[in-house]
Amino acid sequence: NAGVTQTPKFRVLKTGQSMTLLCAQDMNHEYMYWYRQDPGMGLRLIHYSVGEGTTAKGEVPDGYNVSRLKKQNFLLGLESAAPSQTSVYFCASSPSRQGAQGANVLTFGAGSRLTVL
Amino acid sequence: AQSVSQHNHHVILSEAASLELGCNYSYGGTVNLFWYVQYPGQHLQLLLKYFSGDPLVKGIKGFEAEFIKSKFSFNLRKPSVQWSDTAEYFCAVKAYSGAGSYQLTFGKGTKLSVIP
Repeated sequence: NAGVTQTPKFRVLKTGQSMTLLCAQDMNHEYMYWYRQDPGMGLRLIHYSVGEGTTAKGEVPDGYNVSRLKKQNFLLGLESAAPSQTSVYFCASSPSRQGAQGANVLTFGAGSRLTVL
Repeated sequence: AQSVSQHNHHVILSEAASLELGCNYSYGGTVNLFWYVQYPGQHLQLLLKYFSGDPLVKGIKGFEAEFIKSKFSFNLRKPSVQWSDTAEYFCAVKAYSGAGSYQLTFGKGTKLSVIP
């Protein structure tokens, strides 16, 4: 009963390095999201996807790219990491954005803590 | 753009004290409302949700929330907190944002510290 799995859990990068965070869900959810969590800022949506092959920008998309090549996976990429991207990143998924009541409930992964030096 | 305000950044209570965390939002249409909880070192989990019907919603672990449409509020309550309730609590609002699109907005969170 994995739910939403994020890898890696921790990563330290130097400024300018690139990396990819992987999110995998086994619930056959249509929607997937990437959030960043910073102290006093709550959760801010970076990018999201409404289905395989689709992505859209959220509130803070600059400096990030995403891909949803398979329904169960949602990748978050940093092409050139900056210290401002030091954060905890959470992936989430939901069945869909409309429809039955449960459709709007997000299931979150355990988080990935990224430090950019 | 819609916004969600959580009035308290950090609340400190003694065990058995009553809790009320405020949440207000700025959207006038139909909304879905959520409270999520994040225990130390863990991911967010759904505490309770409101979609329609009875505005008093009961969630897990004795928590409840009341939707007051006229006040655009969805405050979280618990009559008697326990040390294990120490966590960060996030209010979230999902509302129609136009062109067939819905937007989920989180508040900045309220840290609750319960002293034994």
